[in-house]
Amino acid sequence: NAGVTQTPKFRVLKTGQSMTLLCAQDMNHEYMYWYRQDPGMGLRLIHYSVGEGTTAKGEVPDGYNVSRLKKQNFLLGLESAAPSQTSVYFCASRTTTSSRAYNEQFFGPGTRLTVL
Amino acid sequence: AQSVTQLDSQVPVFEEAPVELRCNYSSSVSVYLFWYVQYPNQGLQLLLKYLSGSTLVKGINGFEAEFNKSQTSFHLRKPSVHISDTAEYFCAVTANYNTDKLIFGTGTRLQVFP
Repeated sequence: NAGVTQTPKFRVLKTGQSMTLLCAQDMNHEYMYWYRQDPGMGLRLIHYSVGEGTTAKGEVPDGYNVSRLKKQNFLLGLESAAPSQTSVYFCASRTTTSSRAYNEQFFGPGTRLTVL
Repeated sequence: AQSVTQLDSQVPVFEEAPVELRCNYSSSVSVYLFWYVQYPNQGLQLLLKYLSGSTLVKGINGFEAEFNKSQTSFHLRKPSVHISDTAEYFCAVTANYNTDKLIFGTGTRLQVFP
């Protein structure tokens, strides 16, 4: 059971280039999330998905797009990278249950992205 | 909407000393509260959570937290820290009627010295 994996681990882009970050989970979780982590700002939610084929905006969605074509994968795209998108990106997933108990989010190891 | 304030960005402490990491939240509705830990160059890992019931919550690695509704706080404590506890700690909150999203605090860097 690999849990949540992220590809790539590191990437350097030039301003204006595009790229896609891949998140994969093997826990059959319904919910998936993309966060960015910046010094002194904690984690901020970019986009999330409550199920296959659905996505929703988070706190800082501008400049990013996402897709959830398969339940186990959640892609984060940068169409035209900017230096302000230099950050560490984390993916997370969680399941849902029929009870009201909240299920924890499981995090991937992160992708460190630098935009020059 | 919910928000979280972690009052200390850094907490230095000597090994075997007690530590408290402070977290205050704001919400007009009932909430669920969490503490996550992030070791260097890793993702976040759940330490403990408060959903309901006893206000004293015990987590992994000897940590515990107390939910105080009147003071809107959820401080994290450990009676005796180890070098291996050096990490970043995040407090997080979600509304209990809509748990789609977690709101994270800005984090507290715990540095344990020998």
